[in-house]
Amino acid sequence: EAGVAQSPRYKIIEKRQSVAFWCNPISGHATLYWYQQILGQGPKLLIQFQNNGVVDDSQLPKDRFSAERLKGVDSTLKIQPAKLEDSAVYLCASSFSSGGDYEQFFGPGTRLTVL
Amino acid sequence: AQRVTQPEKLLSVFKGAPVELKCNYSYSGSPELFWYVQYSRQRLQLLLRHISRESIKGFTADLNKGETSFHLKKPFAQEEDSAMYYCALNTNAGKSTFGDGTTLTVKP
Repeated sequence: EAGVAQSPRYKIIEKRQSVAFWCNPISGHATLYWYQQILGQGPKLLIQFQNNGVVDDSQLPKDRFSAERLKGVDSTLKIQPAKLEDSAVYLCASSFSSGGDYEQFFGPGTRLTVL
Repeated sequence: AQRVTQPEKLLSVFKGAPVELKCNYSYSGSPELFWYVQYSRQRLQLLLRHISRESIKGFTADLNKGETSFHLKKPFAQEEDSAMYYCALNTNAGKSTFGDGTTLTVKP
């Protein structure tokens, strides 16, 4: 089966600019996750969707970050405006359903550098 | 709130030696626990989950609810085991939390 796809793979922007990331999960997976991974740290959950509804966005900085999953398939994550501390790898993952013992399948990530 | 702690950032062992990567968690409910691995230039992927009680690539992990631990063990480390290892927890509500990872280096 095809894996989780993400684009772009790399992005360099200046602070205060905007950026958007795209994710296409594995077909049939109801749950989609966006994680932020800062160098030296583990993935931090930003937002979790179940189909096109938000399950958890408690750690999403909503003043600058937004995400949507229209039609319950692919998703976009946007940062506007970006700050230096947003430099990180943004990982998208999907699973058949939420929680339990369902495995998460990860994309390759997007490495964002904010100058 | 739930938390996953991996106390060792770096772990280095010689080939053939036993290895143990520690994971401690805090969660008031009944957790589902996982180990994920990221090999060089590859995606993060599942290594094993506690519910299946299986051995994958010679690795095992036992959930100890009394000590709130889920340590990953392998009796004889191989060079190809060198990677980044993450312990993760799923709550009853489906929320996922990862530890900060341990970099394992197996020296020849």
